[in-house]
Amino acid sequence: KNQVEQSPQSLIILEGKNCTLQCNYTVSPFSNLRWYKQDTGRGPVSLTIMTFSENTKSNGRYTATLDADTKQSSLHITASQLSDSASYICVVTSLGGNRKLIWGLGTSLAVNP
Amino acid sequence: NAGVMQNPRHLVRRRGQEARLRCSPMKGHSHVYWYRQLPEEGLKFMVYLQKENIIDESGMPKERFSAEFPKEGPSILRIQQVVRGDSAAYFCASSPFAEVGEAFFGQGTRLTVV
Repeated sequence: KNQVEQSPQSLIILEGKNCTLQCNYTVSPFSNLRWYKQDTGRGPVSLTIMTFSENTKSNGRYTATLDADTKQSSLHITASQLSDSASYICVVTSLGGNRKLIWGLGTSLAVNP
Repeated sequence: NAGVMQNPRHLVRRRGQEARLRCSPMKGHSHVYWYRQLPEEGLKFMVYLQKENIIDESGMPKERFSAEFPKEGPSILRIQQVVRGDSAAYFCASSPFAEVGEAFFGQGTRLTVV
């Protein structure tokens, strides 16, 4: 069964600190993996996208990694800001005639002053 | 380009009423996806439409739910005879071609059934 699991479920950090969010998936065949940021009451916004051959991709203070062998991804946030408080969702696209997004439940991040 | 526009942002309906949720895709986008997000849960795929056609409705409940994307006008998600369990945020996404991973999301419609 295609699944995407994220950890931790929630996380609280102090402003300025770094943090790493984890994503494990069992989606096969694999097309790509995205990390989305969803602010409360808003739609998801794409942060990064990685295909099978990419190991790391950065977007400002966000750096995503992908290990296609172990089917694991991480999202590292550097020098966190209050505006980073949001839900971070890992999404895997399955490859095939009917491509679908398999969504994780997200990690709820709270950045406190 | 105003992005994906959903309205209303908030909708309150009494049990048994109909709810109509509208989604105007980004200019030039002919592919629309609807998702439902229940409180404390992830997004769940409902339906994928291309202009005037339903491509994949495997995530739609068999009864009371329907969707359309006419040649002219917005995509409509219709829920008939709403029940409390329909209370959720409904998100629409659009893409310019059949690559769901490139879709942009709207702000969502928050449906509350009282």
